Amino acid sequence: QSALTQPASVSGSPGRSITISCTGTNSDVGGYNYVSWHQQHPGKAPKLMIYDVSNRPSGVSNRFSGSKSGNTASLTISGLQAEDEADYYCSSYTSSSTLVFGGGTKLTVL
Amino acid sequence: QVQLQESGPGLVKPSETLSLTCTVSGYSISSGYYWGWIRQPPGKGLEWIGSIYHRGSTYYNPSLKSRVTISVDTSKNQFSLKLSSVTAADTAVYYCARELGYCSSAGCYDRGTILGAFDIWGQGTMVTVSS
Repeated sequence: QSALTQPASVSGSPGRSITISCTGTNSDVGGYNYVSWHQQHPGKAPKLMIYDVSNRPSGVSNRFSGSKSGNTASLTISGLQAEDEADYYCSSYTSSSTLVFGGGTKLTVL
Repeated sequence: QVQLQESGPGLVKPSETLSLTCTVSGYSISSGYYWGWIRQPPGKGLEWIGSIYHRGSTYYNPSLKSRVTISVDTSKNQFSLKLSSVTAADTAVYYCARELGYCSSAGCYDRGTILGAFDIWGQGTMVTVSS
C-alpha cells in the first residue's frame, strides 16, 4: 500500500486559515469515511485532532475541522495560532483492513 | 486515566529481532479496544506497523507482515511487538497507541475494528539498529 499524499509544507499568518490536503485512492480515502488527522509537535507523541473525516475528539478546539471529497480529505485550521505550528498526519482505513498514513505536512505559522 | 508505556532495548544488532512491550495502566486490556504499534524514523513520517484486538486478532502492514508479530498478554496488561531480521532502516521511534472507542450510559466500548484514530499514545521509545 502506498502512503497517502500530503503537501510537504504549508504556512499561514496568525488569525488566518489554512487547509492541508490528503490524497489517496478509492481503496482508502475515497472508499471509507475513516480518515483521521494527528498533530505532532517536535519530540512529542502525536495527538488525535480529527477522526471519521470530520469528528473532533473531546477537548480539541473547534478551529480544527475536516472534510472529504472523492479521494481527497482535508484538514482546515481557522484562526491560526502560534501553538498550531506542528506536523500533521492524515491516516485512512483501507480495503485490505489495514491502515495507511500520509507523509506528513509541516505547518509554519508566520 | 489510561496511560501507555513502551519498553525494550534501545539498541539492536542487524539481523536480530527487535522486541518491545507496551504496558497499559488505568485500563484492563482484557476489557476490549484495539491496540497498535506505529513507528517514526528520524526526521520522517509515521508508519503504521500493526494492531491487535484484546482477544488476539491481528492486523499488519503488508510491507512488514513477513517480519512482524504482535501479541497480547492480558495477565500482565501488556501487548508486544517483535520485528525480525532488522536493518538500519528499522531505526525509529516506536510508539504504542490505543484506538479511539466510544462511551454510552452503558459503558465504553471499542468501535469494532481498526480505524486509525489513535487517541492515546505512549511517549515513544527510540530503537537504533547498529552493530
